[in-house]
Amino acid sequence: AQSVAQPEDQVNVAEGNPLTVKCTYSVSGNPYLFWYVQYPNRGLQFLLKYITGDNLVKGSYGFEAEFNKSQTSFHLKKPSALVSDSALYFCAVRDRMGRRALTFGSGTRLQVQP
Amino acid sequence: DAGVIQSPRHEVTEMGQEVTLRCKPISGHNSLFWYRQTMMRGLELLIYFNNNVPIDDSGMPEDRFSAKMPNASFSTLKIQPSEPRDSAVYFCASSPTSGLAGGNEQFFGPGTRLTVL
Repeated sequence: AQSVAQPEDQVNVAEGNPLTVKCTYSVSGNPYLFWYVQYPNRGLQFLLKYITGDNLVKGSYGFEAEFNKSQTSFHLKKPSALVSDSALYFCAVRDRMGRRALTFGSGTRLQVQP
Repeated sequence: DAGVIQSPRHEVTEMGQEVTLRCKPISGHNSLFWYRQTMMRGLELLIYFNNNVPIDDSGMPEDRFSAKMPNASFSTLKIQPSEPRDSAVYFCASSPTSGLAGGNEQFFGPGTRLTVL
């Protein structure tokens, strides 16, 4: 079985400040990990993924995420938040041996205040 | 590339009516996924296909829901009869399966907002 937890329903941050959106996962073996963003009335858009190699993954729009195997975490980060980053963020996981479909977290709403 | 195409974008129907949602995946993508998103339940995987074959339909709520993929460029999700609790946004996504199949990201369509009165 595979699962994802996003412990925060909402994260509030001031524009220009760093942001972190938390994600922890549970899989058998090594994971594939993904972050997606959803803007209002839109489908999910891929941000970044961890497959193998460097634990720090850089993605679209200045976002990055750090894979931490010992803590089974894959937190999304950005050094300086923009108001336009306000959206719903989903973490997703897939184990390397099981079914191909991703398991998504419940989502975290990021609100960046000007 | 036009991305994943879904139609209609909005559907309003009355309880008991049949509803058909349509999806055209990105050309060359071999995997197709149907999701449902609601405030209460979040994003749920309903069913997914690989090379037009249903692989996992364990997320399909009940027999009122059915999905088909007659060819690589088209899929439908049908609800018959529809009920008010089916009101949700339904997303279709596709993914390539070459290379690192499990590590390929999914590309989502814009969704169909279904309202059942």
